[in-house]
Amino acid sequence: KQEVTQIPAALSVPEGENLVLNCSFTDSAIYNLQWFRQDPGKGLTSLLLIQSSQREQTSGRLNASLDKSSGRSTLYIAASQPGDSATYLCAVMNRDDKIIFGKGTRLHILP
Amino acid sequence: NAGVMQNPRHLVRRRGQEARLRCSPMKGHSHVYWYRQLPEEGLKFMVYLQKENIIDESGMPKERFSAEFPKEGPSILRIQQVVRGDSAAYFCASSPSGKNGYTFGSGTRLTVV
Repeated sequence: KQEVTQIPAALSVPEGENLVLNCSFTDSAIYNLQWFRQDPGKGLTSLLLIQSSQREQTSGRLNASLDKSSGRSTLYIAASQPGDSATYLCAVMNRDDKIIFGKGTRLHILP
Repeated sequence: NAGVMQNPRHLVRRRGQEARLRCSPMKGHSHVYWYRQLPEEGLKFMVYLQKENIIDESGMPKERFSAEFPKEGPSILRIQQVVRGDSAAYFCASSPSGKNGYTFGSGTRLTVV
């Protein structure tokens, strides 16, 4: 049974710092991994999608890596801004087409 | 392309009533997923549907909950005889095929009073 774990559960950092969010999964037989952002009371916004054959994806200040063999992914945020404050969710798609989410990391950027 | 549309955004029901949540996938998307998010918890898979077929409903309670994705029209998540524990945010996602990433709707927040 696939389990997705995200650490830390919560993180507060001063504005301008670079930071890394971690995601691990127990079954490496995945199709892809996706990072989402969720603001309080809102829906999910897709940030980056990494196919199982890829090692990383970049979008602006965000970079996501995938090490399928070790069951790990990281989301790197450069030069953090207060607007980056949100919950970040990691999700993997299994071979049975089911998406499994981690519980998320609540990020707070201090102005 | 308007994205994944869910309605209503907010729904209040009294205990024992029925709740019907609608999801219109993005144009060209034939795969629909429903998720439930309880306060302070992660998103839990409920059901995966393709047009006119339920592919996987292993995450959906056996009683009171049902889902459909008809040939025409939106996907519907139906909760009969709602109880307070059904209060949650229900999210729908769609994909052109399961392996190409998913787009989520803004969710329906159900409150049972």
